[in-house]
This record gives sequence, C-alpha cells and structure tokens, in this order.
Amino acid sequence: DAGVTQSPTHLIKTRGQQVTLRCSPKSGHDTVSWYQQALGQGPQFIFQYYEEEERQRGNFPDRFSGHQFPNYSSELNVNALLLGDSALYLCASRKGQGAQPQHFGDGTRLSIL
Amino acid sequence: GQQLNQSPQSMFIQEGEDVSMNCTSSSIFNTWLWYKQEPGEGPVLLIALYKAGELTSNGRLTAQFGITRKDSFLNISASIPSDVGIYFCAGQYYGGSQGNLIFGKGTKLSVKP
Repeated sequence: DAGVTQSPTHLIKTRGQQVTLRCSPKSGHDTVSWYQQALGQGPQFIFQYYEEEERQRGNFPDRFSGHQFPNYSSELNVNALLLGDSALYLCASRKGQGAQPQHFGDGTRLSIL
Repeated sequence: GQQLNQSPQSMFIQEGEDVSMNCTSSSIFNTWLWYKQEPGEGPVLLIALYKAGELTSNGRLTAQFGITRKDSFLNISASIPSDVGIYFCAGQYYGGSQGNLIFGKGTKLSVKP
C-alpha cells in the first residue's frame, strides 16, 4: 500500500522562474493539502484540494496555485520564484473532509539561487 | 503564519529517560495530532486525538488532548536512540471548509546512548 509520493525530491531554480511539484495521494485518499516548511520551522498550510477544487487557502500569494486531477493526484505551481520560496514543500493526503488525520509525503526540497 | 506554542524547543536526554513535551494554543481545536520528522523525510503521524480529555497510547508514546481543547502533551517513556528526531504538534479544525493543520515549531530530541 503506497503512501504519499512526491516528485521531484530536489529541485534547483533561479529567481523569476516557474516550478511545478507533483503529488500522488495515499491509496484510498481523495483530499490533498500542500504545506511549505522553511528551515527550522513547522509546516505552513498553502491550500487544500478536494473534488478537483481548491477548498481552503492559507496566507500565500497568488503566485502559488494548484490543481487536482480526477485520479486525486495534485500539482503545486509557483510562479516568479523568489529567494524566500526556498523550502521543503510537503504534500499531505486524507480521506474526505472530516477529521481523518493527514499523512505526509517526504517532500520536494526547492532551492532558489 | 499562525503557529502553536510548543515547548521545549530542544531536549538532550540520556537513553532510558522519560520525555515530556507540550503544545498550547489561543484557539480551540477539534483534533490534536503529534508527528515525528527525521532528516530528509516528511512528518510521520504518531498519535491522533479527537476528544477533549482523551488519553491515547502508541507503544512507549502517550498523548493527551487537554480539557480546554487548547493544549496537548506528548510523553515518551524509556527513550531509545531511534527516538531522535523533531516532534511536531498540530491542531486541526474541521467542519465546513476547514481542515488545515496548524503546526508548532517542533521539539528537537537528542538521545545519548
């Protein structure tokens, strides 16, 4: 039973570029959330997707956008990259919109030069 | 972004000792969760708590959901070297469109053999 998988594991970009990160949820899960984790901090919520729609959004600018596909997988897109976007980007999945706990992937380490 | 107050920030203990860490919030949560994160990996769910006053164990780990719904603690008994890592508390609202996790800054645990 595969857990949450994310790709790529590492990525290096330069300021102003655009990036797409990918996530496949745990089997049986249909809700995907994205988090940004800066060094030495806890994860910060970016947004959540359910039934292919963005259901909730954290305090992140419009440069951060996403998509969920019919097979429940998801993408996170970040435009006009800034140095401050360097972080570990985590994807988490769960079943439904209730109290089921979220399970995390190992993340994508994004470095901006 | 919003973060929970988690303490202590770090702990250096001898193998075999018990560990206690806690988390407080100014907001009421419906769910408290405890995760462990090791280098290069995503957070792994340890314990989920759903009811005020609930006390739940997972092996040597015990966690409680505070009766005010604004705090939680995690205890680790008889620590071993593989307990090393960063422990995060997370609170979750649910109902309506909410469901994102609010994290603490983490407690870094080091265990001396």
